[in-house]
Amino acid sequence: QVQLQESGPGLVKPSETLSLTCTVSGASMSSYYWSWLRQPPGKGPEWIAYINNNGGTNYNPSLKSRGTISMDTSNNQFSLKLTSVTAADTAVYHCASGAGWWEHWGQGILVTVSS
Amino acid sequence: QSALTQPASVSGSPGQSITLSCTGTSGDVGAYDYVSWYQQHPGKAPKLMIYDVANRPSGVSNRFSGSKSAYTASLTISGLQAEDEADYYCSSYTTSKFYVFGTGTKVTVL
Repeated sequence: QVQLQESGPGLVKPSETLSLTCTVSGASMSSYYWSWLRQPPGKGPEWIAYINNNGGTNYNPSLKSRGTISMDTSNNQFSLKLTSVTAADTAVYHCASGAGWWEHWGQGILVTVSS
Repeated sequence: QSALTQPASVSGSPGQSITLSCTGTSGDVGAYDYVSWYQQHPGKAPKLMIYDVANRPSGVSNRFSGSKSAYTASLTISGLQAEDEADYYCSSYTTSKFYVFGTGTKVTVL
């Protein structure tokens, strides 16, 4: 079955860049769209971005152009970079398959923005 | 774009049916049949329960059903069970070409 696993630092300093990677197993990267979502502590999910199987991307405008999603099909991975982070970016970050509805999710990684 | 509006909490007794609402606008829920619902237990990732308003993914119990009328989508849980106690979130595509989630509903099984 499709499995996703997030990896990256759990602590990022304010104004720096958050970088996360999602490793996909059980599916070809060409089979799905791939998304990043996040969930601040105690709040609901927020969609961040998706990348499709042709490399096309779409972002939540609330990010104000701080985000970049990319894909490495040779390693079955896709990634998220979020620049100029603030405390408001503290959240559990999930990678997931799909765009519009997300069927397979990673367990999530807590990223705290703090000095 | 504002979050979709969901009641903060809904409760029911085992065996009962409950309905969760998700209210949006003409720019999201009312514009497309692209509403999905997620169940989330504490400390776990959300689980897809319904997509495209009324479709159930493989493996999801047929006790869960979805519908939509105008700007409000609904998730009905029939034959409520203890394991259904969780947070539920709706999501919709928007005319601004991104996705928005609801505020979430905590379901309590009495």
